[in-house]
Amino acid sequence: DGGITQSPKYLFRKEGQNVTLSCEQNLNHDAMYWYRQDPGQGLRLIYYSQIVNDFQKGDIAEGYSVSREKKESFPLTVTSAQKNPTAFYLCASSIGLGPDHEQFFGPGTRLTVL
Amino acid sequence: GQQVMQIPQYQHVQEGEDFTTYCNSSTTLSNIQWYKQRPGGHPVFLIQLVKSGEVKKQKRLTFQFGEAKKNSSLHITATQTTDVGTYFCAGPPDGNQFYFGTGTSLTVIP
Repeated sequence: DGGITQSPKYLFRKEGQNVTLSCEQNLNHDAMYWYRQDPGQGLRLIYYSQIVNDFQKGDIAEGYSVSREKKESFPLTVTSAQKNPTAFYLCASSIGLGPDHEQFFGPGTRLTVL
Repeated sequence: GQQVMQIPQYQHVQEGEDFTTYCNSSTTLSNIQWYKQRPGGHPVFLIQLVKSGEVKKQKRLTFQFGEAKKNSSLHITATQTTDVGTYFCAGPPDGNQFYFGTGTSLTVIP
């Protein structure tokens, strides 16, 4: 089945630790995105990537880092510099980067920093 | 940054009643998309509107794009319990970056 996978579904970390969230897609999509969702709020864009080895900051990139070494993979690292990392993280992909393209979302990772 | 605002934030309706959520942008949008997120789930694409004044229907759901392409609405006729979830609009007010609205959480009371 084609789709986007994120792992793990739930993640717990101690404050001060870096943590990497996985996102893999087999849809052959060029564009990939990371969003953060907090209770009662919409989705806020952290980073996005149009193509391998290229990515751009979204609105809330501070404290996060990404890489795009393979078309299928777009991992997100939540660093200790992120002041409030507890949130629901969603990865998405689309055929291309333009606004005409539907975004397909993964199931999400719920990160809790203790 | 640009914002895409949605109202209301929450809506409780009795099953069978109608429901409407509104999406407003401070700038003109080239297009607008609507997504639904079930409780505990992830957003799923519903539809895209591109033309000024466009109206599209999906069974009991009616989507409209304003004439000025700054606002949009989603109307559900005769809600059912399967309609429960949060509905988001999303638009690209400045190039490639999409901005998601704040969402409207719909609760349907059986």
